[in-house]
Amino acid sequence: EIVLTQSPATLSLSPGERATLSCGASQSVNSSYLAWYQQKPGLAPRLLIYDASSRATGIPDRFSGSGSGTDFTLTISRLEPEDFAVYYCQQYFTSLTFGGGTRVEI
Amino acid sequence: QVQLQESGPGLVKPSQTLSLTCIVSGGSISRGGFYWNWIRQHPGKGLEWIGYIYHSGSTNYNPSLKSRVIISVDTSKNQFSLKLRSVTAADTAVYYCATGSQAWNLHFDYWGHGTLVTVSS
Repeated sequence: EIVLTQSPATLSLSPGERATLSCGASQSVNSSYLAWYQQKPGLAPRLLIYDASSRATGIPDRFSGSGSGTDFTLTISRLEPEDFAVYYCQQYFTSLTFGGGTRVEI
Repeated sequence: QVQLQESGPGLVKPSQTLSLTCIVSGGSISRGGFYWNWIRQHPGKGLEWIGYIYHSGSTNYNPSLKSRVIISVDTSKNQFSLKLRSVTAADTAVYYCATGSQAWNLHFDYWGHGTLVTVSS
């Protein structure tokens, strides 16, 4: 099983600041089969990024994904108030696993 | 736009079988290339993939749950189902059904609202 480790667990930032979230894999995620999701309390996760760097439909361009192999990053260029949430990475190269999440808080 | 809706009992007794159904609307479950998934989230915790089914009936399960899980599909009703047997309190979670918008991929654009299942006597 590929274990995904997200860091930091919590990121305390202010609106307008840049957020950098990391996702490390225990084995290489070939073909960059990695996705990022945003989840707000009481709601289902929302797909932001797939295939490591492709934005899902309707996702603002302040969200970007990068990385390959075992190291992946989600960047939010300028935080908007609605971006404060929990973010999960997910790999779908070997079976399917999620990271433990990063909470972005004010 | 595909919409998913979970349904089933919100309370299950320990050692019994948890049964949930996901009703699919806005698209056919028989459309080739798409996987129909169950994912759960323990209270206050992260996400755990349970497994998926293809319209043909082929399945793939999380190895940690494989011995207790059955996912089935009913193409005539455009729905798929989850059965998890021998449940314990550790199976208390919000259960989601999910699928993607791109064929042959396992990232999820479409999610149900989720249903909380509590395992308690």
